[in-house]
Amino acid sequence: EAGVTQSPTHLIKTRGQQATLRCSPISGHTSVYWYQQALGLGLQFLLWYDEGEERNRGNFPPRFSGRQFPNYSSELNVNALELEDSALYLCASSRAGGHGEQFFGPGTRLTVL
Amino acid sequence: RKEVEQDPGPFNVPEGATVAFNCTYSNSASQSFFWYRQDCRKEPKLLMSVYSSGNEDGRFTAQLNRASQYISLLIRDSKLSDSATYLCAVYNFNKFYFGSGTKLNVKP
Repeated sequence: EAGVTQSPTHLIKTRGQQATLRCSPISGHTSVYWYQQALGLGLQFLLWYDEGEERNRGNFPPRFSGRQFPNYSSELNVNALELEDSALYLCASSRAGGHGEQFFGPGTRLTVL
Repeated sequence: RKEVEQDPGPFNVPEGATVAFNCTYSNSASQSFFWYRQDCRKEPKLLMSVYSSGNEDGRFTAQLNRASQYISLLIRDSKLSDSATYLCAVYNFNKFYFGSGTKLNVKP
């Protein structure tokens, strides 16, 4: 069974630009979560999508947004990039319901210069 | 107060030792609990879910104490390959909260 995949692996942007990160969940999983992990820090919950709808979001500004497609893959968009957005962005998927075990992708490392 | 708190460590133990980590959570209505392992610059990998009755998987034992609002992870007969950061995760009210992790170094 294929795991969660994310693309790109690395992304380098400059301040003020926009970044788009992509995630494909495990087959059969309908929930997708996004997390930010800054260097040396814990995982901060960003967004949760289930069945195409945004179910919840963490304490991040509106310039962090995303969507989930009919095939349950998801996209995270970060507008007006700031230096402190540099982090590892992790996507995880789980079966429907939201409170089950999550399985993580390898992450996208975003660097903002 | 943080939703989930862990001792950052590091815990430095010799091979073969038994080591235990705790993780406290603030919301008594929390519904699900998990332990993850994260190697340096890699994604977290699910180690085990934590059930009310406690559960064991080989050398690993997880316990939940709802009265005191903490979960624990016990690792017996530590191996060098157990060196990693261990994250606890708690689900409540449609959000997952992760602890900052406890670093374990197993020495030869």
